[in-house]
Amino acid sequence: NAGVTQTPKFRILKIGQSMTLQCTQDMNHNYMYWYRQDPGMGLKLIYYSVGAGITDKGEVPNGYNVSRSTTEDFPLRLELAAPSQTSVYFCASSYSLGREETQYFGPGTRLLVL
Amino acid sequence: RKEVEQDPGPFNVPEGATVAFNCTYSNSASQSFFWYRQDCRKEPKLLMSVYSSGNEDGRFTAQLNRASQYISLLIRDSKLSDSATYLCVVNVKTGGFKTIFGAGTRLFVKA
Repeated sequence: NAGVTQTPKFRILKIGQSMTLQCTQDMNHNYMYWYRQDPGMGLKLIYYSVGAGITDKGEVPNGYNVSRSTTEDFPLRLELAAPSQTSVYFCASSYSLGREETQYFGPGTRLLVL
Repeated sequence: RKEVEQDPGPFNVPEGATVAFNCTYSNSASQSFFWYRQDCRKEPKLLMSVYSSGNEDGRFTAQLNRASQYISLLIRDSKLSDSATYLCVVNVKTGGFKTIFGAGTRLFVKA
């Protein structure tokens, strides 16, 4: 049981390039999330999904896109990278989004846009 | 005003010390509360849930004060391995639920 896995661990992009951050979970969780964490700041929700085929915007969705074709995978796409997208990106999952529900996080992807 | 506020620290304490962190939340629809731990350059991991009656897990004690809208985390007999950032997390009922993460409090335990 690997939990939540993310690739790549680290990436440097040039302004205007695009990339996809991969996230996979093997816990059969319905809910998946993408967060970004800037230094000294709390986690900010980018997008989330409540199940395959269903996604919704979080607090900071601009500049990102997601898809959820399977329960296991929830990739995050950056189309035109900007320096403001330099951050650490965490994918997380949970079984539901109930009162007592807690989230399980992947190890993160560190992205530097130059 | 942030929905979840924490003192960023850092708290620098010697081994064996007792240290306490507080966290305040502003949304009265906050339903459940947690402390997560995040090691440097690692992902957040659940430390413990926080209940109105208070709960204890070894050296860690969490308390919730709904009237004053704050939660606390007490660490007794601090170990070097307790050095980390502690995130206050709140689940808010908004039709469904949304999870709000505090920015964290940094703790350094020194020998």
